[in-house]
Amino acid sequence: EAGVAQSPRYKIIEKRQSVAFWCNPISGHATLYWYQQILGQGPKLLIQFQNNGVVDDSQLPKDRFSAERLKGVDSTLKIQPAKLEDSAVYLCASSLDRGRAFFGQGTRLTVV
Amino acid sequence: AQSVTQLGSHVSVSEGALVLLRCNYSSSVPPYLFWYVQYPNQGLQLLLKYTTGATLVKGINGFEAEFKKSETSFHLTKPSAHMSDAAEYFCAVSVAQAGTALIFGKGTTLSVSS
Repeated sequence: EAGVAQSPRYKIIEKRQSVAFWCNPISGHATLYWYQQILGQGPKLLIQFQNNGVVDDSQLPKDRFSAERLKGVDSTLKIQPAKLEDSAVYLCASSLDRGRAFFGQGTRLTVV
Repeated sequence: AQSVTQLGSHVSVSEGALVLLRCNYSSSVPPYLFWYVQYPNQGLQLLLKYTTGATLVKGINGFEAEFKKSETSFHLTKPSAHMSDAAEYFCAVSVAQAGTALIFGKGTTLSVSS
């Protein structure tokens, strides 16, 4: 079974630039999550999708972050403009139900 | 609000020794509880989960955890540590009222010495 795919694996940008991350969840998984993991901390939920719809985006900094899920499958997360404090690993996960979430390898973003 | 507290950001054990990683949760409704492991530059891998039923759950790589409602705890144990167990461990809770998203603790780094 193919896992959750994310790209790119690493990205370095200057502050105030924009960046986008891509996620392809496990086939058939209706729920997709984006998490932000800052060094030394646990992952923090940014946004949760159920098919095409947003279930929870309460912790998404909407002035600079945006996310969409295309046709209920792939998803992109964008940051514009980036700040130094956005340096983190961005994890995508998908799940069939409440029992288990499968995580991708993440995208490590460095903002300089 | 739901939360997870992992006691001890770093735990060091000798190879062959008991591993005990502590996790306490806060939830007003019955939770689902999880332990995930993260190796360097990799994503999170599920070790074990508690949903309903038996409170002692066994996971991969010889790990197990016990759900204790009275203590609001879900500590992770392994009888004998192996060098390959060195990694970051995260406890997480899922609560129905907040959808299905996982709420994570800050993590515990396990070091294993020979």
